[in-house]
Amino acid sequence: AQKVTQAQTEISVVEKEDVTLDCVYETRDTTYYLFWYKQPPSGELVFLIRRNSFDEQNEISGRYSWNFQKSTSSFNFTITASQVVDSAVYFCALSEAKTGGSYIPTFGRGTSLIVHP
Amino acid sequence: DGGITQSPKYLFRKEGQNVTLSCEQNLNHDAMYWYRQDPGQGLRLIYYSQIVNDFQKGDIAEGYSVSREKKESFPLTVTSAQKNPTAFYLCASRRVAEAFFGQGTRLTVV
Repeated sequence: AQKVTQAQTEISVVEKEDVTLDCVYETRDTTYYLFWYKQPPSGELVFLIRRNSFDEQNEISGRYSWNFQKSTSSFNFTITASQVVDSAVYFCALSEAKTGGSYIPTFGRGTSLIVHP
Repeated sequence: DGGITQSPKYLFRKEGQNVTLSCEQNLNHDAMYWYRQDPGQGLRLIYYSQIVNDFQKGDIAEGYSVSREKKESFPLTVTSAQKNPTAFYLCASRRVAEAFFGQGTRLTVV
């Protein structure tokens, strides 16, 4: 069974601080995908990134960066120079390939990030 | 614009009533999902459908029903058997491995 743990329930920072959101996952499969989503107050989940299990390269997109380490089963998300608009709930998710090519995303409980001006 | 549309945004249900939440997508995705979100609980899978006329129960399917008669549509019915239906419901469709979500429906029992 797959499982995603986001140990940080809530993080509060002041604008321009860097912040890292942790994600630890469990899976027995060798082929899987990891994701991060952002949920602003409006409620819709916004897709941020997908990583497959064979690609451990870190990725940077503007102020966002992701660190995938299979050795520690972690997929952490860092926001550099945080801004008030980054305030949201962030979800980490894991998807294993099932029979027939189906993928069923399993989500962590989310980390609420509050960025104060 | 392509996307996933959920309606209504807010829904109030009386005790003992069945209600249906709408989910429509024009992304031409085969797979669709329904999740339930409660405060501090993350997202839990209710039902999913990989293809038209086929759907499977998720982790918390009791008290819910779905249909998938068209590729574009995956409505969720919350029946009177669901004892604690007040929650935020999210519909998604899948491209490759990642899911894309609608804006959600907030259901409240009154």
